[in-house]
Amino acid sequence: GAVVSQHPSWVICKSGTSVKIECRSLDFQATTMFWYRQFPKQSLMLMATSNEGSKATYEQGVEKDKFLINHASLTLSTLTVTSAHPEDSSFYICSARVGRASSYNSPLHFGNGTRLTVT
Amino acid sequence: GDSVTQMEGPVTLSEEAFLTINCTYTATGYPSLFWYVQYPGEGLQLLLKATKADDKGSNKGFEATYRKETTSFHLEKGSVQVSDSAVYFCALTDRGGGGNKLTFGTGTQLKVEL
Repeated sequence: GAVVSQHPSWVICKSGTSVKIECRSLDFQATTMFWYRQFPKQSLMLMATSNEGSKATYEQGVEKDKFLINHASLTLSTLTVTSAHPEDSSFYICSARVGRASSYNSPLHFGNGTRLTVT
Repeated sequence: GDSVTQMEGPVTLSEEAFLTINCTYTATGYPSLFWYVQYPGEGLQLLLKATKADDKGSNKGFEATYRKETTSFHLEKGSVQVSDSAVYFCALTDRGGGGNKLTFGTGTQLKVEL
């Protein structure tokens, strides 16, 4: 159980275009999902917390207008990279926690990530 | 703020060797500690966790003990296999910080050779 599905697994786009990444919780409901970015050989950096039915909470330094997050249902959050540039090329990973968002002891379940390459 | 420090990799071992990956942390509150594993081209998977001092998390032959006195959560395995080759991340969530934010270490790549 507790499967998080992320789509697409990889995408190549041209500079200036927008790319949408989907994150779905397949067998549980997630009121909160998290979006991370991973640079090569580096750790994961939390970009934002996606809240179902309300605005996302962005970490300091993350551009809200560039990384649009929508959490329209209890099983789906989307991250749209707008006007993508080569420096946005990275590995984007979503995650969700089973149960209440405040259950800090409940581990996060991660999607398999999306490799974005902007040419 | 919270932080996690891991030993730098890559760590290269022969099959059946003993593995230790060091992890230390700083946290303002009383954190829960995790080890995640990332296989090539995949997302992260929870390997084990510990939620209070002296707890030992274990899974698939891996173990880590929550040491509050040394603020450490070192990962160990008695006999590694080629299939254990992956990147291992130590992480924490801090109760004082609301518990939602997972702080990761930089990851340690493990390569196991025949």
